[in-house]
Amino acid sequence: QAQLVQSEGEVQKPGASVKVSCKSSGDTFTTYGFTWVRQAPGHGLEWMGWISTYSGDTNYAQNFQGRVTMTTDSSTGTSYMELRSLTSDDTAVYYCASFGLYFYMDVWGKGTTVTISS
Amino acid sequence: SLELTQPLSVSVALGQTATITCEGNNIGSKNVHWYQQKAGQVPALVIYRDTKRPSGIPERFSGSNSGNTATLTISRAQDGDEADYYCQLWDYNTVVFGGGTKLTVL
Repeated sequence: QAQLVQSEGEVQKPGASVKVSCKSSGDTFTTYGFTWVRQAPGHGLEWMGWISTYSGDTNYAQNFQGRVTMTTDSSTGTSYMELRSLTSDDTAVYYCASFGLYFYMDVWGKGTTVTISS
Repeated sequence: SLELTQPLSVSVALGQTATITCEGNNIGSKNVHWYQQKAGQVPALVIYRDTKRPSGIPERFSGSNSGNTATLTISRAQDGDEADYYCQLWDYNTVVFGGGTKLTVL
């Protein structure tokens, strides 16, 4: 069964960057792309953007443009999300998910907790 | 930009039918998807493309979408259905999520 394995949680200082990885197993890497969603404590789901596994094209949510970069490595079946200039508002669980043709998220990683603390 | 509005909370008696709505301008013309997130767990797809159920999702879960409202219906509600539910669609190269609805089974 398809799975997405995310990197372990991190603690970062304000102003730093974080890079979260998402490795696919099974056939998830043949899906349309990967998307990233975050969830701050006690809040709903917030979409960050997505990357096509075919073209490498990206589309970022307006709230994150200029601060986020998503990449993929097809040789290892891994997608990455880097977020820069971190503030306490970026404390959240970050999820990767596979993105189907109709832009729904059918397989999710278990999430990576990122804590921003000085 | 398109906004999706969900009720903050819905309550349902055990064994009865729960209805969770998702409202947005003309969303009946788009594909709406629904996710269930139980406390402390990862979101899971329960309905995609308005009405379709992924494998493993009980038939008790159904969806509809018309006009300005998409609806997730949970028949014969069980304790295990208690969760947050989010609607989602794709609009102009952007994912839009509803704010989420907390379903309580009484």
